[in-house]
Amino acid sequence: GEDVEQSLFLSVREGDSSVINCTYTDSSSTYLYWYKQEPGAGLQLLTYIFSNMDMKQDQRLTVLLNKKDKHLSLRIADTQTGDSAIYFCAEILTGSARQLTFGSGTQLTVLP
Amino acid sequence: DAGVIQSPRHEVTEMGQEVTLRCKPISGHNSLFWYRQTMMRGLELLIYFNNNVPIDDSGMPEDRFSAKMPNASFSTLKIQPSEPRDSAVYFCASRTESSYEQYFGPGTRLTVT
Repeated sequence: GEDVEQSLFLSVREGDSSVINCTYTDSSSTYLYWYKQEPGAGLQLLTYIFSNMDMKQDQRLTVLLNKKDKHLSLRIADTQTGDSAIYFCAEILTGSARQLTFGSGTQLTVLP
Repeated sequence: DAGVIQSPRHEVTEMGQEVTLRCKPISGHNSLFWYRQTMMRGLELLIYFNNNVPIDDSGMPEDRFSAKMPNASFSTLKIQPSEPRDSAVYFCASRTESSYEQYFGPGTRLTVT
């Protein structure tokens, strides 16, 4: 099965908060990432968290990590139409030479 | 900083033709990665280089695919002969060896008819 799993779709209203979830299976993950991909573009690194942290905040973005449940989430406060994109969760495993393993991506649609 | 540069951005070719995709990593980055993105398989790592040396090419689909990095500022991914199932978006990414931040290029959308 996949190492990193995400739900495929999420819709929110403009101004609401979005929460995108990700689960991973390998407890040896060291770093966990969120990337954003807009249509026709490459992947933009949004933020990442080291596995010894529980939370990281960067402006409108909050990353929460629950190591016990192997669950990672990305919260976007005050979601805007420009936040509509595919969001990928990714992990780096210990001893993997820092190769990224990606989830399938969550398509976030922000409704006016 | 210009970021990772890829060319061409779009490529349409006929089955059987040779295709060469190009990548210029961010200056100072000494690790380079080639990925393929399709609807069916998502993002797959094809190969990565460290200091111009291929480290892991286990993701390269078959012998029709080859990648080179002749110097620190240039890499190519070649498909010969191309097949319709190679149609995908191919991304190049780079980082410094000591960093955990990997940056992606805009991708090359390849269509093989």
